[in-house]
Amino acid sequence: SAVISQKPSRDICQRGTSLTIQCQVDSQVTMMFWYRQQPGQSLTLIATANQGSEATYESGFVIDKFPISRPNLTFSTLTVSNMSPEDSSIYLCSVRLAGEVETQYFGPGTRLLVL
Amino acid sequence: GENVEQHPSTLSVQEGDSAVIKCTYSDSASNYFPWYKQELGKRPQLIIDIRSNVGEKKDQRIAVTLNKTAKHFSLHITETQPEDSAVYFCAAMYSSASKIIFGSGTRLSIRP
Repeated sequence: SAVISQKPSRDICQRGTSLTIQCQVDSQVTMMFWYRQQPGQSLTLIATANQGSEATYESGFVIDKFPISRPNLTFSTLTVSNMSPEDSSIYLCSVRLAGEVETQYFGPGTRLLVL
Repeated sequence: GENVEQHPSTLSVQEGDSAVIKCTYSDSASNYFPWYKQELGKRPQLIIDIRSNVGEKKDQRIAVTLNKTAKHFSLHITETQPEDSAVYFCAAMYSSASKIIFGSGTRLSIRP
């Protein structure tokens, strides 16, 4: 496996502000994803972070609200823009490692509370 | 559309008994089915997975079965222990887009 780190681990934000979450992996990565997990709920895919190009967003998620960057193979950011209380969730980075075609690992998550 | 259904949503079993969680998927081209365990406040951890060319896979007390015809797969935990208490998620990879979609989760409680 690999060490996947996320920053910040948690934050409390005011509505209308934005927060950028970072994900860093210490191994070679083929694919990176961002998921949202609302309280007591399952994992919902937000987007696939593509290296050097625009992310691929799932239905219900748009770039203006969740801009994503992936400047290199092992690092990605997710921004939650113009936040509202409904954005309070855990945001998880997930990766597939080089040499493991399908297996997907998760970062520790960022716990976001919007007031 | 892409969908994974999971049942039951909650499951309580006596310690030492078996637990079974069932999932169905909608894309007949799906070829990879992982199971994750998530303890309270922690990240999801992969516990077992199965690929479409195999009907069953076992790892100690955990086994997974796959019925491709019926588009069903199940997780079986035998001789349950208190540390098995967690939320379990099934998932399926939709090969057309190479993305993994998760079921709604099962909260498993082990009664002492």
